[in-house]
Amino acid sequence: AQKVTQAQTEISVVEKEDVTLDCVYETRDTTYYLFWYKQPPSGELVFLIRRNSFDEQNEISGRYSWNFQKSTSSFNFTITASQVVDSAVYFCALSGSLLMDSNYQLIWGAGTKLIIKP
Amino acid sequence: DTAVSQTPKYLVTQMGNDKSIKCEQNLGHDTMYWYKQDSKKFLKIMFSYNNKELIINETVPNRFSPKSPDKAHLNLHINSLELGDSAVYFCASSQGLQGPGNTIYFGEGSWLTVV
Repeated sequence: AQKVTQAQTEISVVEKEDVTLDCVYETRDTTYYLFWYKQPPSGELVFLIRRNSFDEQNEISGRYSWNFQKSTSSFNFTITASQVVDSAVYFCALSGSLLMDSNYQLIWGAGTKLIIKP
Repeated sequence: DTAVSQTPKYLVTQMGNDKSIKCEQNLGHDTMYWYKQDSKKFLKIMFSYNNKELIINETVPNRFSPKSPDKAHLNLHINSLELGDSAVYFCASSQGLQGPGNTIYFGEGSWLTVV
């Protein structure tokens, strides 16, 4: 079975602190993709990143970075020098290649609510 | 230009009414979706269409009926609205079928409140 766990329900930090959002996944697939989406208070769902299972290089985009570790089945997201505008719910998701397991559906984590205090 | 746009953004209506939410994407994608997000932020797929053909139809009451007049539009009609239908409904699209590697792009959501 496929599963995505975001154990942190809510995280609260003070602006300028670094913060890491955890994502742990389970899959039998050898080929799969991992995603992060952001949902700010305004409600829209914004795509942040897609990573395939064969690319374990970490990704950096400005203050955002992602650490993919197959050995621990984790795809963690770090925000450096957080800002109030980073306040949002962040979702991790998994897409596998085994039709029987998932019907190709995205498997979503429950989301982590990140609060950045000024 | 908004890539995936849906209207209305907010909808308050009484139980028993029928309502529609419209969605359009200008990304040239082949596949469109409707997702439902409940009060706990849990996201669940409802339907997906690929080139106007229904691909995924999750366990959703028959009161929900999607319609895709062309591959750029996917509307959601809801009959006999119930209190439990209150949620945020997201339209989305992707280049290919929902599957490995296909990124799904979401609209801004439609907040439906049934009173």
